Amino acid sequence: RKEVEQDPGPFNVPEGATVAFNCTYSNSASQSFFWYRQDCRKEPKLLMSVYSSGNEDGRFTAQLNRASQYISLLIRDSKLSDSATYLCVVISMEYGNKLVFGAGTILRVKS
Amino acid sequence: EAQVTQNPRYLITVTGKKLTVTCSQNMNHEYMSWYRQDPGLGLRQIYYSMNVEVTDKGDVPEGYKVSRKEKRNFPLILESPSPNQTSLYFCASSSGTYNTEAFFGQGTRLTVV
Repeated sequence: RKEVEQDPGPFNVPEGATVAFNCTYSNSASQSFFWYRQDCRKEPKLLMSVYSSGNEDGRFTAQLNRASQYISLLIRDSKLSDSATYLCVVISMEYGNKLVFGAGTILRVKS
Repeated sequence: EAQVTQNPRYLITVTGKKLTVTCSQNMNHEYMSWYRQDPGLGLRQIYYSMNVEVTDKGDVPEGYKVSRKEKRNFPLILESPSPNQTSLYFCASSSGTYNTEAFFGQGTRLTVV
């Protein structure tokens, strides 16, 4: 079983739609959680951290459920520019702060 | 400007010809790492370094070497490249604490024929 699993998609949605991605992780000792965005084989860039209480940044909302070991990302009012691959990232200090990536979820927003 | 710089960006080489991909960061970060990205597999860690002269294997270290003689540089060495090392490679750096952002280089697309 992979340490971090994501639905690869692609998710094809119209502009203005709300879309949600989930990510599950297997290591219960994981301590930090992030969503990164990657455009067309360019370098990943941090989208947002995920906090235990949940957090929001504009149209983006991230949630963490430690009991069930999953993380979610909700995008409201999708824009064409949101089309990208979204990577779930988990860090555990027991592995020297190694970032463990999910394989990514592809989002395509269409007009 | 804070950045991670990789070179070269693109490289086509032949089997067995030693090559080095350089990585340099200007943020005084302690933690640096190398990843390869392959379709359907996501980013997998090759090697990481928690500080100067401290390196350790990641998930897929076979066929690769690294060194960390200076804090800013973390080169990736392929002593005898093989076609299965054809991939997109990323170098990353972070401050080393577990809740901080990782910054990535622009990537090196390597083809071994």
